[in-house]
Amino acid sequence: KAGVTQTPRYLIKTRGQQVTLSCSPISGHRSVSWYQQTPGQGLQFLFEYFSETQRNKGNFPGRFSGRQFSNSRSEMNVSTLELGDSALYLCASSLEGAGEKLFFGSGTQLSVL
Amino acid sequence: SQQGEEDPQALSIQEGENATMNCSYKTSINNLQWYRQNSGRGLVHLILIRSNEREKHSGRLRVTLDTSKKSSSLLITASRAADTASYFCATGGMEYGNKLVFGAGTILRVKS
Repeated sequence: KAGVTQTPRYLIKTRGQQVTLSCSPISGHRSVSWYQQTPGQGLQFLFEYFSETQRNKGNFPGRFSGRQFSNSRSEMNVSTLELGDSALYLCASSLEGAGEKLFFGSGTQLSVL
Repeated sequence: SQQGEEDPQALSIQEGENATMNCSYKTSINNLQWYRQNSGRGLVHLILIRSNEREKHSGRLRVTLDTSKKSSSLLITASRAADTASYFCATGGMEYGNKLVFGAGTILRVKS
């Protein structure tokens, strides 16, 4: 089985731009979670989608949004980028749900200049 | 917010020695999990222990859970240079909704 695939691997943007990150979960996994990882804040939960519905959302501003498609693939979007949005964005899929065993992708390293 | 706090923040040992990392958490949990992360990459699931379990083994890994003290420990026996990584504990529980909350991690360096 293929693992969780995140694209792109690296991204460089400037302040004010917007960005879309993509995640393809393991086949059969309907739960997709997104995390932001920074050296200062560690791993912070962004949101979780299950069968195209957002089930849970972390404490992030409305500039961070996501969606899930019928094939379970997910995208997250960050609008009006700020320098502080520079981070490793990790996607994880799960068979049982976001509170159970997670399978992570390699992440998208976003740099905002 | 971070539920788990790992201790120590960093650990440096010689190959062949055992490594012990600890995790404390604040609220009741359904399960506690340990993950490994190699530099700049995704996390890899190591082991999951449920709130009604006290100890679990997987290869060279041993995890204990003490719900009365709200703490867990991860023991890696006979460490190898390839074990060099960051290790995170994560808690899943109803009070945090359907998600895992990760601690800050322990950086383990195994010297050969």
